Amino acid sequence: DAKTTQPPSMDCAEGRAANLPCNHSTISGNEYVYWYRQIHSQGPQYIIHGLKNNETNEMASLIITEDRKSSTLILPHATLRDTAVYYCIVVRGSTLGRLYFGRGTQLTVWP
Amino acid sequence: DGGITQSPKYLFRKEGQNVTLSCEQNLNHDAMYWYRQDPGQGLRLIYYSQIVNDFQKGDIAEGYSVSREKKESFPLTVTSAQKNPTAFYLCASSPGQGAYGYTFGSGTRLTVV
Repeated sequence: DAKTTQPPSMDCAEGRAANLPCNHSTISGNEYVYWYRQIHSQGPQYIIHGLKNNETNEMASLIITEDRKSSTLILPHATLRDTAVYYCIVVRGSTLGRLYFGRGTQLTVWP
Repeated sequence: DGGITQSPKYLFRKEGQNVTLSCEQNLNHDAMYWYRQDPGQGLRLIYYSQIVNDFQKGDIAEGYSVSREKKESFPLTVTSAQKNPTAFYLCASSPGQGAYGYTFGSGTRLTVV
């Protein structure tokens, strides 16, 4: 599975959009981009995933560049409860769902 | 509601003792996993199981053992051979192929005293 690179920390004002970047320059054609988040001392929670098209759900939007080498998770109106570690993961769609979690990005939303 | 239950939430162990962490799921998922997380670090895979009575070592299996006698249950035993067992342990399950539908438990924090 391709490796990912994320900034170690970011912050955002409450009510503003949080844009979390992820670099996955070695991604291959059959690999998906997944985003999870982990609130302190809890298990990670699935947010969104995509292959090459932009995706949106009730939690967030995922923007994947045309060359698929990077992506951005967008939380359109961040709240204090969005403070968490966000993990960007690249996974081959056809294999056993082992997930490789790096250190992620610590997002802090301030009032 | 369907989900994964890990117990206990906090566990203290004396050095030299084995301890078993419980993980039960009612999601009818085929695959189950155990991860370890140390402070400020990502998750590292200990063991995983795709079907009942079958499991494979992950990246840091030394000092750990598992069993998968029932689809719903995947207990993890931390043995005395694990040199640094103090950590946060997370159990997860998925339908099997691919990473969609991956669900985590709330974790067990193990401390060696």
